[in-house]
Amino acid sequence: SQQGEEDPQALSIQEGENATMNCSYKTSINNLQWYRQNSGRGLVHLILIRSNEREKHSGRLRVTLDTSKKSSSLLITASRAADTASYFCATDGTGTYKYIFGTGTRLKVLA
Amino acid sequence: DAGVIQSPRHEVTEMGQEVTLRCKPISGHDYLFWYRQTMMRGLELLIYFNNNVPIDDSGMPEDRFSAKMPNASFSTLKIQPSEPRDSAVYFCASTPIGGELFFGEGSRLTVL
Repeated sequence: SQQGEEDPQALSIQEGENATMNCSYKTSINNLQWYRQNSGRGLVHLILIRSNEREKHSGRLRVTLDTSKKSSSLLITASRAADTASYFCATDGTGTYKYIFGTGTRLKVLA
Repeated sequence: DAGVIQSPRHEVTEMGQEVTLRCKPISGHDYLFWYRQTMMRGLELLIYFNNNVPIDDSGMPEDRFSAKMPNASFSTLKIQPSEPRDSAVYFCASTPIGGELFFGEGSRLTVL
């Protein structure tokens, strides 16, 4: 299966700390995306990084991509209680738009 | 735009009954996806369409599941007959070519 694996499965940090989540995948990709899901809600897109990019920033988010290791990381800086959610990576396959999601990381930010 | 609209938001049914989930994608989005989310299996891609045509249905678990997209503004996912193991949250998502996925709020299905 192309499904990505994310680690850690769960992460608990204090407000103001940084949170790092990792994603590994199995096949070649066009791009990798990160999504956030609040409890009981649909997923919301955070950031997309293309296979020819190594790093991307958006506000307090920083994403890196290492295609040689088939891995990506999402860093949330200066975390807030409102960042409490599950975070998923999603990859497509080269030549397709078949988006497969990872297993997710449950982040809890304590106020 | 109102975003991706799914109905019903919650469905409780008995084993053996037919279930129909509905999705209205965002206007102008060429791709539509159906996902299923459970604690055990995470987010599974069931099927996706491009311009109303099914492209990959390899994730559809069994013949009891079927999906259609009769036009660009409507899709259905049908389970007949339903079983307790089909209990899950079913998400629909749409996207323009190669872009971010826009998700609906999901349909939570409970099969007793």
